[in-house]
Amino acid sequence: EIVLTQSPGTLSLSPGERATLSCRASQSVSSSYLAWYQQKPGQAPRLLIYGTSSRATGIPDRFSGSGSRTDFTLTISRLEPEDFAVYYCQQYGSSPRTFGGGTKVEIK
Amino acid sequence: VQLLESGGGSVQPGGSLRLSCAASGFTFSSYAMSWVRQGPGKGLEWVSGISDSGGSTYYADSVKGRFTISRDNLKNTLYVQMNSLRSEDTAVYYCAKAAASGSFSPNDYWGQGTLVTVSS
Repeated sequence: EIVLTQSPGTLSLSPGERATLSCRASQSVSSSYLAWYQQKPGQAPRLLIYGTSSRATGIPDRFSGSGSRTDFTLTISRLEPEDFAVYYCQQYGSSPRTFGGGTKVEIK
Repeated sequence: VQLLESGGGSVQPGGSLRLSCAASGFTFSSYAMSWVRQGPGKGLEWVSGISDSGGSTYYADSVKGRFTISRDNLKNTLYVQMNSLRSEDTAVYYCAKAAASGSFSPNDYWGQGTLVTVSS
């Protein structure tokens, strides 16, 4: 099983600032099958990024993903008020399809 | 696309429940599906997945041997039969659709979730 470790656990930032979220895998993620999801309280997760760096339909270009093998990053270039949420990475290249523990982006 | 889960509720440890997920707005038989759960105040946990035809199924170690995923492509419905339930199975259970056909795809649409509470 691939274990995904996200850091930091909480990121306190102000609107307009840049957010950098990390996801580290315990072993290489097959063919960069790494996704990022956003979840707000009381809502289902929303797919942001798939294949490490491809934005899902309707996702603004302030969200970008990068990385390879065991180290992946989600960057939000300029935080908007609606971006404050919890973010999860997930690998979907092997079963079980594990999630990271999440990073909460909160308003400073 | 709409995914509507049902079947959640309260059950005693050792009991059983069957969750359903009614799908609409897309060709259900063309996409793999998954169940993902979220314990109270916790993160997301992938539980189980099934191929578009239903011929291949996958499980997290935490539920293997206790949960069974299935689908009825004529009824556009996804199921999970949950037996020998434990307190640690308490969670909101989401069904989720694969973003693309094929073996490797993230989940682009999610239901609103159904709450399962396992308690004596």
